[in-house]
Amino acid sequence: GEDVEQSLFLSVREGDSSVINCTYTDSSSTYLYWYKQEPGAGLQLLTYIFSNMDMKQDQRLTVLLNKKDKHLSLRIADTDTGDSAIYFCAETYGNQFYFGTGTSLTVIP
Amino acid sequence: DADVTQTPRNRITKTGKRIMLECSQTKGHDRMYWYRQDPGLGLRLIYYSFDVKDINKGEISDGYSVSRQAQAKFSLSLESAIPNQTALYFCATSDASARGDYGYTFGSGTRLTVV
Repeated sequence: GEDVEQSLFLSVREGDSSVINCTYTDSSSTYLYWYKQEPGAGLQLLTYIFSNMDMKQDQRLTVLLNKKDKHLSLRIADTDTGDSAIYFCAETYGNQFYFGTGTSLTVIP
Repeated sequence: DADVTQTPRNRITKTGKRIMLECSQTKGHDRMYWYRQDPGLGLRLIYYSFDVKDINKGEISDGYSVSRQAQAKFSLSLESAIPNQTALYFCATSDASARGDYGYTFGSGTRLTVV
């Protein structure tokens, strides 16, 4: 399978920006995704980016894609306690998704 | 009702027992998947099915089997459960494109503990 890597933990203060990073291996991925998993729940699609884009903004979320370095990031502006969750990046390769290990974001009030 | 429903939500079972986890969906998607989630390991694909006659092994299929009873139903069985199968199991669905806005739709998960 493909390797999709993330840091396991991130803590930020409420009101600050959070930046969650991801590296992937397959340069031919056409879409890259961010999913959010709240405690006791399944994964929900947060946002995605097509591989020919460098940036996508959706309200408080900004996705940056550096294809040369195979690096994807998710920036959450004005983080609040409701953003505390595990965030997974994923890439599509062939007909399958490959998920990262997940980054557990803790927002400190 | 949820688009993807998993039953049971929680289960504790003994080593050596057979157990079935069930998944049903109302999305009308052809493709269904079973993943397990372990802390620090992310999601790993167990089995997937692109239609009712199609079953494929994923990354970690040993010790598991599946049955695609209908387009809407995909069950995962552990024939003889062992403690290292203790994990959170997710069912997911997608349409044929599984791209962009479509992505995957996940169930809420089944927490399985094997003692």
